[in-house]
Amino acid sequence: GENVEQHPSTLSVQEGDSAVIKCTYSDSASNYFPWYKQELGKRPQLIIDIRSNVGEKKDQRIAVTLNKTAKHFSLHITETQPEDSAVYFCAASKRSGGGADGLTFGKGTHLIIQP
Amino acid sequence: DTGVSQDPRHKITKRGQNVTFRCDPISEHNRLYWYRQTLGQGPEFLTYFQNEAQLEKSRLLSDRFSAERPKGSFSTLEIQRTEQGDSAMYLCASSSDLGLRGNEKLFFGSGTQLSVL
Repeated sequence: GENVEQHPSTLSVQEGDSAVIKCTYSDSASNYFPWYKQELGKRPQLIIDIRSNVGEKKDQRIAVTLNKTAKHFSLHITETQPEDSAVYFCAASKRSGGGADGLTFGKGTHLIIQP
Repeated sequence: DTGVSQDPRHKITKRGQNVTFRCDPISEHNRLYWYRQTLGQGPEFLTYFQNEAQLEKSRLLSDRFSAERPKGSFSTLEIQRTEQGDSAMYLCASSSDLGLRGNEKLFFGSGTQLSVL
C-alpha cells in the first residue's frame, strides 16, 4: 500500500518568514495530493490540493509543488502569521473515475510561528 | 451548519462495552469515509461508502468494528467489546463524486473522541 513520509515533525519560524514542509510517497500510481491544517481540538481542514497533471499550485500565501519523478511534494507558506500555527498533514491517494481509494496521511508537522 | 456533523463529540466507556457513533455528511455528498486519529498521528483510513455500498475496508477494521450507511445518507460506526487500544478520535469525512474527473475533496467532521477505561 501507499506510504507517506512527512518532514519535519516540528517547525518553528519567526513571524513573517517562510515555512516549507516536505512529503514523499511510495506509490507511483498516486495522483491526488491534498494538504490539511488541523488546529488543536478541531477538524482537519483542506487548505490546498494538487493533482499529478500539474507541478505547482498557488493560493495567496500558500503554494504546493509536486515532483512526480522523485515522488515528493511540498507545502510552502510565505509571510507566516500567528494564525498559521497548527498541525499540517499531507496526504496521497489514487483516484480514478468510478472508484476511490482512501487518503494515506503523513504523520503531521507542528508549525509554530514565533512572534 | 451545513458541514459534516458527528455525534457524540466525546464518549467515555468501560472496556468490553459496545459503542456507536453517528455521522451526517454534507447533504449532497454521496461518498462517506471513516478515519481514526491517535495523538500525534495523521488520520488512518478505516472504511469508505459510496451511497449505501461499503466499497473498501482497511485491515485496521477488525471484526469488532462494523459500519453501516443504510439509506446512503447518515452512517454509523459500531465498536463491539471495546479495548483500551480503541481509544482515539474517530473522524468522518464526505465528498462528492465528480464523475469522470474522479478526484474529489474530502471534508471532515469534528470527530468523536473515544476513551476506553
